[in-house]
Amino acid sequence: AQRVTQPEKLLSVFKGAPVELKCNYSYSGSPELFWYVQYSRQRLQLLLRHISRESIKGFTADLNKGETSFHLKKPFAQEEDSAMYYCALSKDSGYSTLTFGKGTMLLVSP
Amino acid sequence: KAGVTQTPRYLIKTRGQQVTLSCSPISGHRSVSWYQQTPGQGLQFLFEYFSETQRNKGNFPGRFSGRQFSNSRSEMNVSTLELGDSALYLCASRGSDTQYFGPGTRLTVL
Repeated sequence: AQRVTQPEKLLSVFKGAPVELKCNYSYSGSPELFWYVQYSRQRLQLLLRHISRESIKGFTADLNKGETSFHLKKPFAQEEDSAMYYCALSKDSGYSTLTFGKGTMLLVSP
Repeated sequence: KAGVTQTPRYLIKTRGQQVTLSCSPISGHRSVSWYQQTPGQGLQFLFEYFSETQRNKGNFPGRFSGRQFSNSRSEMNVSTLELGDSALYLCASRGSDTQYFGPGTRLTVL
């Protein structure tokens, strides 16, 4: 069975500091990996997916198949980045079933 | 395009009762998935419907069931409610790139 692990429940940084939210996964096949974000009182929304290799709101994530990791990074955190971040895995390109990590709360202080 | 909508937004029930939650996907989306979100277990996949057929199912007891109508709207039902069923129930509809989530129904079981 597939599994997604986010080792940090809470990550607290100061504005302007670099951020790295860790995500490790276990799956024997070739998964699709995603990062979702949930801002306060808003619905869960897609931040980025590995297949698109794009940068959204300054965030990037690289899929490392050797280390089975998909860490989310941003060089300079902003206060508006404070939110709950979830790493998710889909077994296939159909994205029908997502397996989520338990999430990391990012708090960016001024 | 209107987003995924869920009704009701909040619900309070007592143990032993049953409950039905409703989800309307984004127009044109034919796949609807349901997730349970709790502080302890995080986001867990319940089931997915596509063209009125259950296509995937998570590891939940038979008390949890669902269905999908010809207009792609979906309902999930929980019978014989238990205290542990208190959770945020999220519905998502699948687009070409990922799943789009609704605001959720907050179910409290007393």
